[in-house]
Amino acid sequence: DQQVKQNSPSLSVQEGRISILNCDYTNSMFDYFLWYKKYPAEGPTFLISISSIKDKNEDGRFTVFLNKSAKHLSLHIVPSQPGDSAVYFCAALVSYNTDKLIFGTGTRLQVFP
Amino acid sequence: DVKVTQSSRYLVKRTGEKVFLECVQDMDHENMFWYRQDPGLGLRLIYFSYDVKMKEKGDIPEGYSVSREKKERFSLILESASTNQTSMYLCASSPGGWQGGANVLTFGAGSRLTVL
Repeated sequence: DQQVKQNSPSLSVQEGRISILNCDYTNSMFDYFLWYKKYPAEGPTFLISISSIKDKNEDGRFTVFLNKSAKHLSLHIVPSQPGDSAVYFCAALVSYNTDKLIFGTGTRLQVFP
Repeated sequence: DVKVTQSSRYLVKRTGEKVFLECVQDMDHENMFWYRQDPGLGLRLIYFSYDVKMKEKGDIPEGYSVSREKKERFSLILESASTNQTSMYLCASSPGGWQGGANVLTFGAGSRLTVL
C-alpha cells in the first residue's frame, strides 16, 4: 500500500519556466512533509519541508504548498534552472517520528535550455 | 560539514555470496537507517537502528540483516545475495528527537550493488 504517491514519474520543463511536482498521500495522520532532491550517483539531500499547520512554505525559488483536505502537496520551482534536473522525492512523517519517514516513488525533473 | 560515508560505491557480487555494506557517520547521530532505491518504487526502508546494538525491521527486511556495534557505524549484510537484491543502497542518519525538518535524515552517496 503506497501511502505517499508521486504519479508523474518524469517532468520536462524549459529553463526559466515553473516546475510543479505533485505528491498525494493517503494517511491523514501525516503531519510533516519534506522534499528531497537526488542527483545521479549521490544521496538525496533535504530541500524544503512543511508542517501540517501551514499551507505554504517558501525558500528562495522553492515553494511547497499543502492542501490537507485533498491530501496533496506540491513543490513549485520558479524559475527552473538546468541545475534543478534531478529526481525529487516527497516524504511524510507521523507525529515527527523520524523512524517512520515514508517516501514517494520520485519524479525525475529535466530542465532544458 | 556533516557526513555519512558509505565505503563501497559500486559492487558486483555473485548469487549466493555474502555481502557487507558499511556506513559511517561523523555527526554523533542516534539513529541510522538503510534504504534501497529502485525505479518506480522510491526509497524503501530495510532496517533502522536507534542505538548501539539495537535494530528494528523496516518495510522490506527479508534477506537482510544489520549490525551496529558502535554508534557511528551501521552495516547492512546480505547473507546470500540474490539477483533481486540488485539495487542502490542508501544509508542515512538522524539525531535523536525532533530537531526540525532539515535534520530529519542525512544520506550517504549510496552503494550500487549488482548481483549476477
